[in-house]
Amino acid sequence: DTEVTQTPKHLVMGMTNKKSLKCEQHMGHRAMYWYKQKAKKPPELMFVYSYEKLSINESVPSRFSPECPNSSLLNLHLHALQPEDSALYLCASSLKHPGTQETQYFGPGTRLLVL
Amino acid sequence: AQSVTQPDIHITVSEGASLELRCNYSYGATPYLFWYVQSPGQGLQLLLKYFSGDTLVQGIKGFEAEFKRSQSSFNLRKPSVHWSDAAEYFCAVGNNAGNMLTFGGGTRLMVKP
Repeated sequence: DTEVTQTPKHLVMGMTNKKSLKCEQHMGHRAMYWYKQKAKKPPELMFVYSYEKLSINESVPSRFSPECPNSSLLNLHLHALQPEDSALYLCASSLKHPGTQETQYFGPGTRLLVL
Repeated sequence: AQSVTQPDIHITVSEGASLELRCNYSYGATPYLFWYVQSPGQGLQLLLKYFSGDTLVQGIKGFEAEFKRSQSSFNLRKPSVHWSDAAEYFCAVGNNAGNMLTFGGGTRLMVKP
């Protein structure tokens, strides 16, 4: 099973709202990723968690706050977003086994619209 | 720094025709290469990957890709395209640490009946 699930599928929020995106995997993967994808563009890496610790933050604004409560779950907390943050947010996971090249498996994404 | 170029933004082929999508990479060490497919509004599905060994790799849905080090290429092929193959295709290169994927700009495939 190579399934990564994401909820919600769609989200509309105002610029003053606080919301969260959720990502879950039960493949025993120990690395999890958040990507942002604008229309007709490739995904852009936002954050990487490795063994539940934040290992990469690609200079993402603080209005995006990631959280990894356990090895299966990854959240992205959103606060005071701007309309330009509207995008497809993709979660991915990979095994993170020492000495092996990683393959990232992606979820279906959450389509976010900021009004 | 690693980079990936997909020279073709759009490609249209007739159903049943063969397909080749081009991918060129730039990476200083042994590249780890991937092809993903994305249907509209969906996530990315892994088609195939190359880490080492046989330079012709087979993937799902009848796709294959050939790694050519001398040309820094990893082109995706399919002998006979189906209407359901219409999607966006992304080539990507992974770094040695295994935690960074760099994507090409994507190629949008349209299939004519």
